[in-house]
Amino acid sequence: EVRLVESGGDLVQPGGSLRLSCVASGFSFSTSDMNWVRQAPGKGLEWISNISSSAISTFSAESVKGRFTISRDNAKNSLYLQMNSLRVEDTAIYYCASGASYFRHWGQGTLVTVSS
Amino acid sequence: DIQMTQSPSALSANVGDKVTITCRASQGVRNWLAWYQQKPGGAPHLLIYKTSTLESGVPSRFVGSGSGTEFTLTISSLQPDDFGTYYCQQHYTYPWTFGQGTKVDIK
Repeated sequence: EVRLVESGGDLVQPGGSLRLSCVASGFSFSTSDMNWVRQAPGKGLEWISNISSSAISTFSAESVKGRFTISRDNAKNSLYLQMNSLRVEDTAIYYCASGASYFRHWGQGTLVTVSS
Repeated sequence: DIQMTQSPSALSANVGDKVTITCRASQGVRNWLAWYQQKPGGAPHLLIYKTSTLESGVPSRFVGSGSGTEFTLTISSLQPDDFGTYYCQQHYTYPWTFGQGTKVDIK
């Protein structure tokens, strides 16, 4: 069974930092590109970052470029998102999802709330 | 960025009805278009990719078609479990972008 389990979501003040994690099992994580996709409360889906299977390349949406960093540890079957300079508009459920361009497997999400 | 626009934003239909959702791209995405279903409180679930390729385990009543800038998702015979919000997503070029969603209710 494929599982993606996110963690690390929390309430944080504007300007603060947070690190999200996603642990994968049930599929070949080390050969899969991975992504973070977020969903603001009551809103639609927004892709924010992608990392290749070997971590050689990463891509990010303009909305998070320079503030968020995606990384991975294939030995630990883990994906990460370092989030700095958080803004109120970053409040969302953050999903990790597998796939190079479309998203086959999704986690259940972790909630990040940015508020003073 | 490529803007994806879905219509309608919401619909209500009876079990057994044929349902069609349209997705339009602001520029051509060839046939690189995916569809997802999301139920309340849950994560999205991949239904179709590359316009018409059905993901493993997805019922054959879900049919995708189109090319270029206009695409459709058809549910040939709506079932009670088909409620939720449907999203299209272009997987042609970065940044990957989604439509705003179409909420489907069962009458």
